[in-house]
Order: sequence, then structure tokens, then C-alpha cells
Amino acid sequence: KAGVTQTPRYLIKTRGQQVTLSCSPISGHRSVSWYQQTPGQGLQFLFEYFSETQRNKGNFPGRFSGRQFSNSRSEMNVSTLELGDSALYLCASSLDVTKGGELFFGEGSRLTVL
Amino acid sequence: AQSVTQLDSQVPVFEEAPVELRCNYSSSVSVYLFWYVQYPNQGLQLLLKYLSGSTLVESINGFEAEFNKSQTSFHLRKPSVHISDTAEYFCAVSRAGAQKLVFGQGTRLTINP
Repeated sequence: KAGVTQTPRYLIKTRGQQVTLSCSPISGHRSVSWYQQTPGQGLQFLFEYFSETQRNKGNFPGRFSGRQFSNSRSEMNVSTLELGDSALYLCASSLDVTKGGELFFGEGSRLTVL
Repeated sequence: AQSVTQLDSQVPVFEEAPVELRCNYSSSVSVYLFWYVQYPNQGLQLLLKYLSGSTLVESINGFEAEFNKSQTSFHLRKPSVHISDTAEYFCAVSRAGAQKLVFGQGTRLTINP
């Protein structure tokens, strides 16, 4: 069974640009969550989608957005990039929402903003 | 709201020595507790979890953790570590039945030969 797939794995952008990251969950998983990982702030929750609906959102500015498609694949977008957006962005999928955070993580998309 | 404190940012140990990685949490509601491991340049992998039932939970690679409700702790232990255990370990909590995880800052475990 394929794991969570994130693309691209690495990317470099400049300030002011926008970026879109993609996540394909494990087959059959309907919940997708996104986390930002930085050395200073650690792992922080961005948002969670279930059946194309955003169910929960972290404390990030509106420049961060996401969506989920009918096949459960998800994308997140960051507009007007800032240097501080440099981070590893992790996507995670889950099968059974009633069991809480049993998440399966992808390897992440490492974003560098210059 | 939930919060997690991992008391040690780095833990160096010698191979085959025992190790304990400490985790304390704060929550006013019932929680699920997790330990995740992150190897270099990889995502997170679930190591073990406590949802309910027995307070001692074990992983397949020799780690164990004990849920202590009175001390609000979920410390991770291994009686004998191996070089391959070198990684960063994250303790996490979620409100029971919810999907959002709140992570600690992580503990970097370094195994010296």
C-alpha cells in the first residue's frame, strides 16, 4: 500500500511569490492534515480537511490556504511568501477519525524562501 | 486547549544503555497521547499511542511508554538503545476523538558507540 505522497519534495521561491504544495493520502483515507515544521516553532498545525470540508484551522495568517478534492487529494497554498515561511510542510492522512490523531505522515515538502 | 512539554531537547546515551525521554502534557479534557519518531530528511512515523485501557503501551522495536494521569506524563523508555534509534522523538497530544495534534518541541536522541 502506497504511503502519503507529497510533491514537490524541495522547492525554492523568492519573497512575494506564491507556492502550491500537493498531497496524495493513503488510499481510503479521507482526512488530510497539514503541519509546518521549523527549527524555532517546531511542529504547528495548519489545517485539516475531511470529505472536502475544512474541519479545523490553526493559527496562521490568511496567506495560508488549502483545499481537498473529491478523491481526497489535498493542496495547500501560501501566497505572498515571506522569509519566515521557509519550513518543512508535512501532510498527514488518517482513516478512522474517531480514534483521534492516528496520522500517517508524508516525507514533506521543504520550502526555502529567499 | 492542550499543550506538551518535552523536558529535554537533546539526550546523548551510549549504545546498549537505557534511555528515558520525558513528556508532560496539559489538558482539561480527555486526551490521546502519542510518540512519533523522525529520522533525518523524513516525515514522522508513529512509534506508539495511548488511547485508553492499559496505561503501559509498547512498540514493536522495544520502546514503551506509560500514561500517568496524576502526573500528566507520558514518558518514553527503552531498556537498551541501538545506533539505529538515533532520531528526533516527538510527544503529541490530541483531544479524545479529535484529529488535531499538538506536538512538543522534540527530543534529539543521539546514540554514541
